[in-house]
Amino acid sequence: EVQLVESGGGLVQPGRSLKLSCAASGFTFSNYYMAWVRQAPKKGLEWVATISTSGSRTYYPDSVKGRFTISRDNAKSSLYLQMNSLKSEDTATYYCARRGQQGFAYWGQGTLVTVSS
Amino acid sequence: DIVMTQSPTSMSISVGDRVTMNCKASQNVGSNVDWYQQKTGQSPKLLIYKASNRYTGVPDRFTGSGSGTDFTFTISNMQAEDLAVYYCMQSNSYPYTFGAGTKLELK
Repeated sequence: EVQLVESGGGLVQPGRSLKLSCAASGFTFSNYYMAWVRQAPKKGLEWVATISTSGSRTYYPDSVKGRFTISRDNAKSSLYLQMNSLKSEDTATYYCARRGQQGFAYWGQGTLVTVSS
Repeated sequence: DIVMTQSPTSMSISVGDRVTMNCKASQNVGSNVDWYQQKTGQSPKLLIYKASNRYTGVPDRFTGSGSGTDFTFTISNMQAEDLAVYYCMQSNSYPYTFGAGTKLELK
């Protein structure tokens, strides 16, 4: 059974950093692109980052480019999101998702990040 | 960036209704549109990929169609468990972009 379990969320002050993790199991992690998608409270979905199978290619929207870094450790079947210079508008539930030819077929349960002083 | 304009924003429906919602891309995205369902308090769930392909295990009352810039998602026989917010997303080019969602509510 495919499982994606996020961790690392919490309350953080504006301008500070936070690192999210996603532990994957039930599939060959190194064979899939992975992504982070977020959802601000009572708002819609926003794609945040994607990483290639080897980690050599990464993609971001302008809203987080230069502040967020997606990475992966295929040996540990783990995905990460390093978030720096956090802003109040980064407050959201962050989902880890597996990207395949059929779309984002698997999602984690999400981890809440609250940026507030 | 490609803007996905989803309509309507919300719909009041009854069980058994045929429900149709639309997504319009600001530029040609081919068939690279997925549809996701999100129930309250849950993670999104993939229903349709590449515009018209039903994902494994998704009931056949859910269908998608379209290509280029205009896409349609239909629930042929609305069930109570289908109450949710539905999102389209284009994956033709980065940055991937979602529509704002269509919320289905009971009449």
